[in-house]
Amino acid sequence: GNSVTQMEGPVTLSEEAFLTINCTYTATGYPSLFWYVQYPGEGLQLLLKATKADDKGSNKGFEATYRKETTSFHLEKGSVQVSDSAVYFCALNDYKLSFGAGTTVTVRA
Amino acid sequence: GAVVSQHPSRVICKSGTSVKIECRSLDFQATTMFWYRQFPKQSLMLMATSNEGSKATYEQGVEKDKFLINHASLTLSTLTVTSAHPEDSSFYICSALTGTSPNNEQFFGPGTRLTVL
Repeated sequence: GNSVTQMEGPVTLSEEAFLTINCTYTATGYPSLFWYVQYPGEGLQLLLKATKADDKGSNKGFEATYRKETTSFHLEKGSVQVSDSAVYFCALNDYKLSFGAGTTVTVRA
Repeated sequence: GAVVSQHPSRVICKSGTSVKIECRSLDFQATTMFWYRQFPKQSLMLMATSNEGSKATYEQGVEKDKFLINHASLTLSTLTVTSAHPEDSSFYICSALTGTSPNNEQFFGPGTRLTVL
């Protein structure tokens, strides 16, 4: 079946540091891939997505590229801010969403 | 973007009582909604798929008589936790599906924190 594996946290960074969260997937077919963000006490918000191989999703300075050859969708941001502190979930959609375990990111001022 | 609301945001109840959680799509119609459960520091677990006008489809291991789902209109789905017990305490999140495959997208509600004493 479909599954998503993402880097375990927690991750603690200083402001303006570079952030990478690894995500790999296993799927039959060609799913769409997503990154969701969850701020404390809130539901999930879609951060970015890619629907086919080599697509790059981007939003709010975050980027991720759909790599079919490595079955990966790593999330990156070049310079994080305190407001980026949240839990990040990688997910794939092959009829229904399958989520990774989530990575907690804390950015210190 | 599309907005999904949940009510209540928090509920505390006594063991043995039933609790109803509402999920509404505020500015769009959704024939399909999903219910998830999230344990502390863990990922979301899909509980069931709710389809307007028909019975919900439950994931393996989810008791349909325990978690009653009603999707009576294109903007409202409800989850009722019947005879709640402390182990049902969790964060329940709904989502509503818009668009058509492969460009469909789920929009998530803010979640409901259920605490059963």
